[in-house]
Amino acid sequence: NAGVTQTPKFRILKIGQSMTLQCTQDMNHNYMYWYRQDPGMGLKLIYYSVGAGITDKGEVPNGYNVSRSTTEDFPLRLELAAPSQTSVYFCASRTPTDNYGYTFGSGTRLTVV
Amino acid sequence: DQQVKQNSPSLSVQEGRISILNCDYTNSMFDYFLWYKKYPAEGPTFLISISSIKDKNEDGRFTVFLNKSAKHLSLHIVPSQPGDSAVYFCAASGINTNAGKSTFGDGTTLTVKP
Repeated sequence: NAGVTQTPKFRILKIGQSMTLQCTQDMNHNYMYWYRQDPGMGLKLIYYSVGAGITDKGEVPNGYNVSRSTTEDFPLRLELAAPSQTSVYFCASRTPTDNYGYTFGSGTRLTVV
Repeated sequence: DQQVKQNSPSLSVQEGRISILNCDYTNSMFDYFLWYKKYPAEGPTFLISISSIKDKNEDGRFTVFLNKSAKHLSLHIVPSQPGDSAVYFCAASGINTNAGKSTFGDGTTLTVKP
């Protein structure tokens, strides 16, 4: 049971480049989330999904897009990368009735130069 | 406006003593509260939670207390161990609304000295 898998673990992008952060979970969780964590700060919600085909914006969605074509996958797309998107990105999942919190991936550390 | 606040960025305690981490929230719609533990270069891991209908929840060395009137919760670790050294995040959620999204505090770095 792998849980939540994020790839890549590290990436350096140049300003204006694009990339997709991958997130896959094998727990059949309906709810999935993308958070970002800036240094010394808490986690800020970027986008979330309550099931395949359903996505919605979180607190800081600008500059990002998501899709949810299957229950397992929830990729995060960065278009036209900017230095302000330098951060650590965490994907998480949970079941609708799970009171035990999120299961997080190990994160993707992104640097935009 | 930050809805979940952890006012102490860091805390240092001796091994074997009690660690108390604090968290305040402002949104009365939150009805579920969680603590996560995070080691460097890893994702947060769920530690313990409490529903707003309770004022205490215990799991081994970890106890969470909730004071709804004060909008305050705390995590007690007794006894503290060096392996407890990590960043602890408080989070709050409206479980039955808004897809169970959680709002996180900025974290408290706990250092347990041998």
